[in-house]
Amino acid sequence: DAKTTQPPSMDCAEGRAANLPCNHSTISGNEYVYWYRQIHSQGPQYIIHGLKNNETNEMASLIITEDRKSSTLILPHATLRDTAVYYCIVRVRSARQLTFGSGTQLTVLP
Amino acid sequence: DTAVSQTPKYLVTQMGNDKSIKCEQNLGHDTMYWYKQDSKKFLKIMFSYNNKELIINETVPNRFSPKSPDKAHLNLHINSLELGDSAVYFCASSQEIGAATYEQYFGPGTRLTVT
Repeated sequence: DAKTTQPPSMDCAEGRAANLPCNHSTISGNEYVYWYRQIHSQGPQYIIHGLKNNETNEMASLIITEDRKSSTLILPHATLRDTAVYYCIVRVRSARQLTFGSGTQLTVLP
Repeated sequence: DTAVSQTPKYLVTQMGNDKSIKCEQNLGHDTMYWYKQDSKKFLKIMFSYNNKELIINETVPNRFSPKSPDKAHLNLHINSLELGDSAVYFCASSQEIGAATYEQYFGPGTRLTVT
């Protein structure tokens, strides 16, 4: 029962920024937004998470709107190795399982 | 060093057989999980163990039995394999501090094919 909506697929040119949107209009005040990705034939990989403020780490940036109903994952300089399915997940910090939706297939084009 | 490892990577077996998949994590995490990814690529939680104790048991046939000999290992035993069990099975682990569960680290997966 995924509580997020993502486009099924996106393309991005190598070296350009990839902006992946996610809608989570029913998010609760104590739910965080998490992003994972799954490169073909590999296990999912944690990317970043946030509650209200924008977050940045070595992999990506996460921009959360002020009303928290949507967010955008930004890969600043996409490479071919970033081709993967990206999952946006909302969960409370105490929840143990991750509920995966269908994600966005990002294809980085040379 | 591999953080979460699974063996075997591939498993091909016949209907009716019993098989096990092993998982080990060297991250010192308290909680481990099994997920199943079917042919349509949906990932679903099956089980979760915290400090060797079962805490999540989703609607999974009782032919599937997880076993945790210690908090670094979570094995999945499957009895009487069926064609529908063919999938990729992922093990994962996470740390818990207080009431917060942190990000999950996944293994490389075990592709099970039942013929």
